[in-house]
Amino acid sequence: QKEVEQNSGPLSVPEGAIASLNCTYSDRGSQSFFWYRQYSGKSPELIMSIYSNGDKEDGRFTAQLNKASQYVSLLIRDSQPSDSATYLCAVTTDSSYKLIFGSGTRLLVRP
Amino acid sequence: EAGVTQSPTHLIKTRGQQATLRCSPISGHTSVYWYQQALGLGLQFLLWYDEGEERNRGNFPPRFSGRQFPNYSSELNVNALELEDSALYLCASSQGHSYEQYFGPGTRLTVT
Repeated sequence: QKEVEQNSGPLSVPEGAIASLNCTYSDRGSQSFFWYRQYSGKSPELIMSIYSNGDKEDGRFTAQLNKASQYVSLLIRDSQPSDSATYLCAVTTDSSYKLIFGSGTRLLVRP
Repeated sequence: EAGVTQSPTHLIKTRGQQATLRCSPISGHTSVYWYQQALGLGLQFLLWYDEGEERNRGNFPPRFSGRQFPNYSSELNVNALELEDSALYLCASSQGHSYEQYFGPGTRLTVT
């Protein structure tokens, strides 16, 4: 079992819709959770971090964390074609500060 | 504020040679992390440096090594290059012991 799992996609949504991206992790000791956006040929860009159960909103983005279910998600409201990218879920599991990444979900927003 | 910078952008080496990759963190950041993104393998943690010391390393052979300088910049060295070392090498930095890491543009290493 992979430590961090994501559906590879592509997830295709129409412009203006809500895109829902999901991630599960295997280590119950995981402490911090991140979403990165990576455009093709570019490096990952941090878009959200979440550390405690519940929702965290930042503009059009909402991160949701459920530690009991070992599940973290990212909602993108009013999706735009410019949101088309690969979204990487990452977690830290101990005090080493290393990030463990999922393989990413490719999002395609159709105009 | 300037972001993380890496050099060179591209590097082409022959199998058996050595490669040196460089990274400058965001001003004020003291921790530097190195990751490898190989095709089909995703992002893999390589090394973590903080305050000049190696704090943790991933599941990579000893021919992957590095160091952090007093100005917090860092260097990654890969000895005895193998074809499977071809990948995008990403450097990230964070402020002190913060979990939030910010990535540089990467160095594309090609081993022929």
